[in-house]
Amino acid sequence: NAGVTQTPKFQVLKTGQSMTLQCAQDMNHNSMYWYRQDPGMGLRLIYYSASEGTTDKGEVPNGYNVSRLNKREFSLRLESAAPSQTSVYFCASSEVGGGNEKLFFGSGTQLSVL
Amino acid sequence: GQSLEQPSEVTAVEGAIVQINCTYQTSGFYGLSWYQQHDGGAPTFLSYNALDGLEETGRFSSFLSRSDSYGYLLLQELQMKDSASYFCAVRERNSGGYQKVTFGTGTKLQVIP
Repeated sequence: NAGVTQTPKFQVLKTGQSMTLQCAQDMNHNSMYWYRQDPGMGLRLIYYSASEGTTDKGEVPNGYNVSRLNKREFSLRLESAAPSQTSVYFCASSEVGGGNEKLFFGSGTQLSVL
Repeated sequence: GQSLEQPSEVTAVEGAIVQINCTYQTSGFYGLSWYQQHDGGAPTFLSYNALDGLEETGRFSSFLSRSDSYGYLLLQELQMKDSASYFCAVRERNSGGYQKVTFGTGTKLQVIP
């Protein structure tokens, strides 16, 4: 059981380049999330998808776009990377209701923008 | 909107008990969670409180007071491996009725011999 799988694990970009971070979960969860974590900081919510077909902005959405491709997959795109987007990115998924409010996290993507 | 506050650092002695507090301000509150994160790792779930009171899971307990917008994580019989960052997180409803989870800035716990 893989859980939440993120790719790539590491990426170096030049300012202005674009890339897509991929995330897939095999737990049949409805909700999926993208967070970024900067050194010594908490996790800040970028975008989330409460169910297939819906996406919403979180705390720090500027410079990012997302796609909920299907129930399993939720991708995060940086159209024109900036050094301020250097961070560790985590994807997570959860079920909602019935006491199953646990978030399952991927292993993270370390992104450096030069 | 929402905000969560927790202490940035706590140091405790191996074998002791430590309490990490979390206060929150949010609308559409559903519940409060706690997560543990070791350096270089991903956060892992510890506990969730939707109702007032204490939830116990082994050496870890979590408490919630909805009227005070306050919760805490209690770690007993501290072990060196408990050295990590601990995050509180609120599950809340957005304007469209969907749920989201937002995190505090974390408390770095150092356990010393």
